[in-house]
Amino acid sequence: GAVVSQHPSWVICKSGTSVKIECRSLDFQATTMFWYRQFPKQSLMLMATSNEGSKATYEQGVEKDKFLINHASLTLSTLTVTSAHPEDSSFYICSLPGTGTDTQYFGPGTRLTVL
Amino acid sequence: GNSVTQMEGPVTLSEEAFLTINCTYTATGYPSLFWYVQYPGEGLQLLLKATKADDKGSNKGFEATYRKETTSFHLEKGSVQVSDSAVYFCALRGGATNKLIFGTGTLLAVQP
Repeated sequence: GAVVSQHPSWVICKSGTSVKIECRSLDFQATTMFWYRQFPKQSLMLMATSNEGSKATYEQGVEKDKFLINHASLTLSTLTVTSAHPEDSSFYICSLPGTGTDTQYFGPGTRLTVL
Repeated sequence: GNSVTQMEGPVTLSEEAFLTINCTYTATGYPSLFWYVQYPGEGLQLLLKATKADDKGSNKGFEATYRKETTSFHLEKGSVQVSDSAVYFCALRGGATNKLIFGTGTLLAVQP
């Protein structure tokens, strides 16, 4: 299957700063990538679908101006949490679809802590 | 809307013990059901899946049967190993949006 990496694996930042999280597909070209967030003891929630060369599609309730997604190439998608606040502290996970309709390949996740 | 409920962890077992992790779902129509596993420091990986009622998914000694009458997809393994220690997520895909809907995850810790 595809190998997906995320950078950084964890980050701590001050309230009000912006943080960029990278998601890379190391061996697979992806026109679409997914971004999820996970709160402690809760499900993974789909935030948005990143589309190469066009605007991302956000899920209901997700602020597009706060969570900026850029999918500039077939192997890289970035999520920028702008003006981060403590309530944005979470585990962010990206994934990309495989060739089968039921297949998704997930990155290891990024732990964001906002002080 | 669609949802998945799975048992809270952590589940702590001794090696060679029998494992059951319960998962029930709510969905319209006929969703596909999945179990994903996340080993420490790695991304979620598909463990097994079932796409219709009475199907049994199996992989690495794990099994789960799609039970429409009880809307369940419980994960079982007859004899766990220390290397099975991980977080297990039940998920479904179905409906108009075709998105993956996850449960909260269950941490399994197997002790030697």
